[in-house]
Amino acid sequence: NAGVTQTPKFRVLKTGQSMTLLCAQDMNHEYMYWYRQDPGMGLRLIHYSVGEGTTAKGEVPDGYNVSRLKKQNFLLGLESAAPSQTSVYFCASSPRAGRGETQYFGPGTRLLVL
Amino acid sequence: KQEVTQIPAALSVPEGENLVLNCSFTDSAIYNLQWFRQDPGKGLTSLLLIQSSQREQTSGRLNASLDKSSGRSTLYIAASQPGDSATYLCAGISYNTDKLIFGTGTRLQVFP
Repeated sequence: NAGVTQTPKFRVLKTGQSMTLLCAQDMNHEYMYWYRQDPGMGLRLIHYSVGEGTTAKGEVPDGYNVSRLKKQNFLLGLESAAPSQTSVYFCASSPRAGRGETQYFGPGTRLLVL
Repeated sequence: KQEVTQIPAALSVPEGENLVLNCSFTDSAIYNLQWFRQDPGKGLTSLLLIQSSQREQTSGRLNASLDKSSGRSTLYIAASQPGDSATYLCAGISYNTDKLIFGTGTRLQVFP
């Protein structure tokens, strides 16, 4: 059981480039989340999904898009990267609604946008 | 809007001390509160989850309490060890938002 995995682990982009971050979970969880973590800001929710084929906006969705074509995968896309998107990105999953369930986190992707 | 604050931001203590980390939240309509541990360069690991109907949870040397009326949670670490060195994050879910709102964390260093 690998849990939640993220690829890549680290990436450097130039302003305006695009990329996709991949999150995969093998726990058959319904809910999946993308967060970003910045110094002094805590983790902030970007987008989330309550099931295959569904996505919803979180607290800071601008500049990002997501897709959940398969239950086990949740993709985060940056269409035109900006330096403000330099951050550490975490994916998480939970079995059902977030209220009564803990979330399981991946190891993170460090993104540097120059 | 739910806001979560953690005090202190950093803490350095000698091995063996008992510690209290504080977490306060503005929205009293809290459903549950979780404490996570984050090691440098790593993801988050859930330590304790306190449901709204509970007042505390215990796991080994860790004890977390939740006081919804005062908007506070505390994480008590007994007999601290160097292996406890990490950043500790609290996160709450309120009935209003239904999503985890994280505090900024307390960075703990326990030295031998």
